[in-house]
Amino acid sequence: QVQLQESGPGLVRPSGTLSLTCAVSGASISSNNWCIWVRQPPGKGLEWIGEIYHSGSTNYNPSLKSRVTMTVDKSKSQFSLKLSSVTAADTAVYYCARADGIFGVVTPHPQYWGQGTLVTVSS
Amino acid sequence: SYELTQPPSVSVSPGQTARITCSGDALPKKYAYWYQQKSGQAPVLVIYEDSKRPSGIPERFSGSSSGTMATLTVSGAQVEDEADYYCYSTDSSGNDRVFGGGTKLTVL
Repeated sequence: QVQLQESGPGLVRPSGTLSLTCAVSGASISSNNWCIWVRQPPGKGLEWIGEIYHSGSTNYNPSLKSRVTMTVDKSKSQFSLKLSSVTAADTAVYYCARADGIFGVVTPHPQYWGQGTLVTVSS
Repeated sequence: SYELTQPPSVSVSPGQTARITCSGDALPKKYAYWYQQKSGQAPVLVIYEDSKRPSGIPERFSGSSSGTMATLTVSGAQVEDEADYYCYSTDSSGNDRVFGGGTKLTVL
């Protein structure tokens, strides 16, 4: 079955860059799929960060666009997220999720989720 | 920015029907998706494309959409259905995705 696993530092200093990796197993990332990043501040709701198609095409939340970079490494079957200039407001559980489908035909929506990883921004 | 509006909470007794609504201006033309999130766990997709149920999701979960409102219905709600539920959709341009604020379903 499809499995996703987030990894990265659990603590990031203010003004620094948050970097996370999402390793995918059980399915190829080489065709017809997106990686979607979602975050959830403690005790709050879900926020869509953005998505990257297997081809490398990206689509970011406008409110985060200036600080977000998503990439794909097919050789390692993994996706990555970078969020720069972080503040305490970026403290959250970060999830990666997989969406299957053809670009332009379906709306990418998370179908398989990682367990999430807590990232705290603090000095 | 685009918003989806959900009631903060819904409460029912076991065996009753729970209905959770999600309103958004683009819903007449865009699909709604529904996620269940139990405490300390990752979300799970329970309804996609307004009314389709993924394999493994109990039949008591159903979805519908009319005009600017999508509805998740849990028929014969059970104690194990207690969770936060989030709707998800895209804006009218089809570019920006958004989650609703979430609804806490209490079954007791």
